[in-house]
Amino acid sequence: ILNVEQSPQSLHVQEGDSTNFTCSFPSSNFYALHWYRWETAKSPEALFVMTLNGDEKKKGRISATLNTKEGYSYLYIKGSQPEDSATYLCASTAYSGNTPLVFGKGTRLSVIA
Amino acid sequence: GAVVSQHPSWVICKSGTSVKIECRSLDFQATTMFWYRQFPKQSLMLMATSNEGSKATYEQGVEKDKFLINHASLTLSTLTVTSAHPEDSSFYICSARVDDIGQGGWGNQPQHFGDGTRLSIL
Repeated sequence: ILNVEQSPQSLHVQEGDSTNFTCSFPSSNFYALHWYRWETAKSPEALFVMTLNGDEKKKGRISATLNTKEGYSYLYIKGSQPEDSATYLCASTAYSGNTPLVFGKGTRLSVIA
Repeated sequence: GAVVSQHPSWVICKSGTSVKIECRSLDFQATTMFWYRQFPKQSLMLMATSNEGSKATYEQGVEKDKFLINHASLTLSTLTVTSAHPEDSSFYICSARVDDIGQGGWGNQPQHFGDGTRLSIL
């Protein structure tokens, strides 16, 4: 069973600050790493799916990197805004098939105006 | 696109009641849907994989007679918590991937989630 860990568990930043969180996963039997943003009272929204070592993806002020050899991914938010407040989930899968993901506990981000 | 509708969003009921939760893919077909459960401060934990036209696959420790799953069509899966007890109180959420993935594997396709159901058993 994969074990996906995220840190920190929660984070409070001031508006305008840049921040980053970590997701670690077993580097063996890896196929893909997913990041989701989960706002309160909404459904989790897919941010990125990455498969290749060294992958870097960007969506507006949010970007993510992937290191499959050492088993970690970073999510970066540049110039945090209050609307970025959410729980950020990462999830890993070891398979290319239509199989479920293994999720971390998430990092809860609060951006203070 | 790729919207998943889940309802009810919130249920409070007495111990011994059976509760049905629906998960619908509104604008895509989903042969496979996933049911997760989340306890406070824990991660989303897979309960079962729901397959259209066949039996669901349950994770170890999840009672199939307790959590009945029916995937009757390519757009609807239901989870019924039978004779629910307080220890079944939790947050339940479903997800699905679009069937038509084109090139590439499923694993690098995002999952699309419902809004979840918060179940409280008194």
